[in-house]
Amino acid sequence: AQSVAQPEDQVNVAEGNPLTVKCTYSVSGNPYLFWYVQYPNRGLQFLLKYITGDNLVKGSYGFEAEFNKSQTSFHLKKPSALVSDSALYFCAVRLNFGNEKLTFGTGTRLTIIP
Amino acid sequence: NAGVTQTPKFQVLKTGQSMTLQCAQDMNHNSMYWYRQDPGMGLRLIYYSASEGTTDKGEVPNGYNVSRLNKREFSLRLESAAPSQTSVYFCASSEIGYTFGSGTRLTVV
Repeated sequence: AQSVAQPEDQVNVAEGNPLTVKCTYSVSGNPYLFWYVQYPNRGLQFLLKYITGDNLVKGSYGFEAEFNKSQTSFHLKKPSALVSDSALYFCAVRLNFGNEKLTFGTGTRLTIIP
Repeated sequence: NAGVTQTPKFQVLKTGQSMTLQCAQDMNHNSMYWYRQDPGMGLRLIYYSASEGTTDKGEVPNGYNVSRLNKREFSLRLESAAPSQTSVYFCASSEIGYTFGSGTRLTVV
């Protein structure tokens, strides 16, 4: 079975400061990893994914994430937070073959304080 | 360039009523999914369809049925709605990652 843990329900960051949203995963094999963002009353939007290759993945809106196989982590980062980054963020994992389903974390609400 | 389209966007049902949530994708994806989103619980998979003509149960299938009408369309039916089914429902389709619809906010009173 595969699982995702987002240990922080809520993260508060001052505008302009770096931000990190944590994600760890468990999967019986090599993973595909994803980050999605959800703005109020909207669907989930794709931010970035790790499939293979470089462990540092760059995505939309200046976000990036680092795949760390030894720590089974895929933390989302941004060097300088914007108020518009305030949203609900979901990490997700699946196996890297076949037609496997995504398993989502419970989400982290990021609030950027002006 | 529509992606995944869900209808309706909002619905209020009385306990015991039935309804069908519609989902269509125009990306020629084989796989489609229905999730529900509840506060503090993330997204939970209700049903999925790996290809046209096949459907399988997910994590929380009780009280729901699905139909994969063709490659584009995947509908979710509540035969007898219960207050516990008050939630936001999302349809998604995928190749590797998912593309989500904008959601249906359902309230059962």
